[in-house]
Amino acid sequence: AQKITQTQPGMFVQEKEAVTLDCTYDTSDPSYGLFWYKQPSSGEMIFLIYQGSYDQQNATEGRYSLNFQKARKSANLVISASQLGDSAMYFCAMIIMNTGFQKLVFGTGTRLLVSP
Amino acid sequence: DTEVTQTPKHLVMGMTNKKSLKCEQHMGHRAMYWYKQKAKKPPELMFVYSYEKLSINESVPSRFSPECPNSSLLNLHLHALQPEDSALYLCASSQDKNGGAKNIQYFGAGTRLSVL
Repeated sequence: AQKITQTQPGMFVQEKEAVTLDCTYDTSDPSYGLFWYKQPSSGEMIFLIYQGSYDQQNATEGRYSLNFQKARKSANLVISASQLGDSAMYFCAMIIMNTGFQKLVFGTGTRLLVSP
Repeated sequence: DTEVTQTPKHLVMGMTNKKSLKCEQHMGHRAMYWYKQKAKKPPELMFVYSYEKLSINESVPSRFSPECPNSSLLNLHLHALQPEDSALYLCASSQDKNGGAKNIQYFGAGTRLSVL
């Protein structure tokens, strides 16, 4: 079965430090996409970064990078130089092939708290 | 511009009321989605519209009725809701419901619904 697992319910980091949020996935489909979204307390789901299963290089977007280890089926998010505004819930998600359309499946999320 | 606009931001309604949630995007996307998110849980897919036609209904009760008047607008009509329907309702859009592994969904800020 296709599944996303986030094992860290909560993470704490000090401002200006780097933090890694874990994500593992399970799929038998060779073609898939992996996404990270940020959800502040305001509710909006903000797209952060994408990694395709055939991408040779790890994705980077500003302070966000995705540590993609295909053999281990992991897609961890690394946030460098944490800022107070990074405090939020973070969801890992995967596009899976379903009958007739591509469904976005989410993990349970990790709540990140950045302290001064 | 990756903006999806949802109104209202907050809604309180009684179980006998009829109300509507609205969603608008101007990114030229042809797929639009409604999600329901309970507190501390990931979003759950409710409906998918593709090219203004209802493509997917994830076994949602008939008290939720979606409508897509044109390619930019998506409504969710609510009638005779139950208190357990209280949640954050998120709208999203993407280029196409089958846009490949990189089918990025962009979300709005959501409507926080309370049913009394």
